[in-house]
Amino acid sequence: EIVMTQSPATLSVSPGERATLSCRASQRVSSSLAWYQQKPGQAPRLLIYGAVNRATGIPARFSGSGSGTEFTLTISSLQSEDFAVYYCQQYSDWPRTFGQGTKLEI
Amino acid sequence: QVQLVQSGAEVKKPGSSVKVSCKASGGTFSNFAISWVRQAPGQGLEWMGSLIPFFNKTDYAQKLQGRVTITADESATVAYLELSSLRSEDTAMYYCARDGRGYGNWFDPWGQGTLVTVSS
Repeated sequence: EIVMTQSPATLSVSPGERATLSCRASQRVSSSLAWYQQKPGQAPRLLIYGAVNRATGIPARFSGSGSGTEFTLTISSLQSEDFAVYYCQQYSDWPRTFGQGTKLEI
Repeated sequence: QVQLVQSGAEVKKPGSSVKVSCKASGGTFSNFAISWVRQAPGQGLEWMGSLIPFFNKTDYAQKLQGRVTITADESATVAYLELSSLRSEDTAMYYCARDGRGYGNWFDPWGQGTLVTVSS
């Protein structure tokens, strides 16, 4: 199965700053990559699909980039509500697999 | 706008089975696929299996083969996850989610989650 590796495990950033989260696939997944945000006690929420496409209702400060094996989620100016855990997920091959998550903290 | 509402928390004994439901509203149920993803306490996300009712097709994670069954009642627009031979490692939050734009893609939206606790 394709292993997804996220870095860093924890990222400490101040509100208003830019955050860059990374996700690496153990084999090429083309652009079949999604990003999710999960806040404590809540279900994950889709942010990005197709590596670069924002899901409905997702603010423009969230952007995705990359293809193949290297992907990035960028949050341009962090708001207080953005502090959460972020997961990447590949859907290029079965089984669909997730990264272990990056915790974005203040 | 599709919404998914799951059944309530369960406490089960080791060796028993659990069946969790996921009620869909909005959209055309038979046209979309439902997947189940679980999350052990403090851990990441694990895909368990998927069902596309229109084609009556299921796919399951290899590690759960033989213990997991996903079904659907199209008339009631409800999907079910059944997990048997429960063990303590199955203690987790279980989420249903719709597959995005077809089958085997991203997950959106998600249900609110059902906590299953396996304890003697």
